[in-house]
Amino acid sequence: EVQLVESGGGLVQPGGSLRLSCAASGFTFSLYSMNWVRQAPGKGLEWVSYITTSSNSRFYADSVKGRFTISRDNAKNYLYLQMNSLRAEDTAVYYCARDSVGPTHAFDVWGQGTMVTVSS
Amino acid sequence: SYELTQPPSVSVSPGQTASITCSGDKLGDKYACWYQQKPGQSPVLIIYEDDKRPSGIPERFSGSNSGNTATLTISGTQAMDEADYYCQAWVSSTAGVFGTGTKVTVL
Repeated sequence: EVQLVESGGGLVQPGGSLRLSCAASGFTFSLYSMNWVRQAPGKGLEWVSYITTSSNSRFYADSVKGRFTISRDNAKNYLYLQMNSLRAEDTAVYYCARDSVGPTHAFDVWGQGTMVTVSS
Repeated sequence: SYELTQPPSVSVSPGQTASITCSGDKLGDKYACWYQQKPGQSPVLIIYEDDKRPSGIPERFSGSNSGNTATLTISGTQAMDEADYYCQAWVSSTAGVFGTGTKVTVL
């Protein structure tokens, strides 16, 4: 079964850091680009970051650029999101999502999400 | 920054057709896709490359994209289709963008 499982969420103070992980299984992880997407409570979806198969290219939403870093370990089948200088507005459910093969960048597999709360 | 605009809500009677629009500058020049999200669940891809359905998605879901508008059509809407729907596109080869989201209510 194709599966993505996020972990690492929790409560953190403003200015703090957190590292999210996403464990992939059921498919050849190294062949797929990956994304992080977030959803603030009661709000819509927001794309956060993207990484190519070999980590050669990484892109970020303007709202997180310079504070978040996406990375991956193809040997371990893991995707990561290092989040620094966290703000209240970063409070959200964070999903990892597989990028479909081809030029369309549709997200064809999603994890269940992990909640990040930034509050003092 | 690039924006995708959707109507906040759409209401439809069971068995009727619901249409959800997604508007963005020259959206027709990009690929659009659509996601369905039910309360407490993760989003599910229902349309990709403007009009293609992933395996397992019912035929009553269809899509189109031209000019500045992409459209998701649900034909013969069922109660189980009540959900939030989001369009999405890839912009400037470097960024993903989601639409504002539409809540579909089946009355």
